[in-house]
Amino acid sequence: SQQGEEDPQALSIQEGENATMNCSYKTSINNLQWYRQNSGRGLVHLILIRSNEREKHSGRLRVTLDTSKKSSSLLITASRAADTASYFCATVPSSGSARQLTFGSGTQLTVLP
Amino acid sequence: DTGVSQNPRHKITKRGQNVTFRCDPISEHNRLYWYRQTLGQGPEFLTYFQNEAQLEKSRLLSDRFSAERPKGSFSTLEIQRTEQGDSAMYLCASSLTSGGAYEQYFGPGTRLTVT
Repeated sequence: SQQGEEDPQALSIQEGENATMNCSYKTSINNLQWYRQNSGRGLVHLILIRSNEREKHSGRLRVTLDTSKKSSSLLITASRAADTASYFCATVPSSGSARQLTFGSGTQLTVLP
Repeated sequence: DTGVSQNPRHKITKRGQNVTFRCDPISEHNRLYWYRQTLGQGPEFLTYFQNEAQLEKSRLLSDRFSAERPKGSFSTLEIQRTEQGDSAMYLCASSLTSGGAYEQYFGPGTRLTVT
């Protein structure tokens, strides 16, 4: 079953604008990751934030994590048409050694040129 | 760097037939995962291997599904007596366990259509 929800389910913006996607999860985590998936393709890892971190940056990406609210956000600044894709958050549980990812349902981002 | 590869990329089969998919992970990765993704949803975990040992299986993995990783390198996922509900994208991912690594590297997936 899915770990949680992503909000919004779909987002359409103009090129150059910022895009913000939110993710909520249910259980205690070791880390939270964001992945991108272009239509009908595999997933690409974007960024990982550990449970003891609150914010992380990578290029045009900024991720925040609030473990008290069990939520995370992904901000893409100065969006480009090539950013059009589905974005998924995924969590790794704090207990156990399996490290399998539990994904949210994703946000479909469309960046209009 | 060849990345994770999966074959075939697409498979169309009739209900009741058996199908087998192959995944070749990144060569130095000791963990290999299988996920299933249906349209509009995120991937769901099916099973994973550490080297050749299958360490965990999801409840989604019914007894019609079997996975192997015989020499700790490539893996196969077989579905017997396919059903229309098995239609989905089957994704394979690999990762390292050393150095606190958690990122998974995904293959392009095998899209299964059961008619």
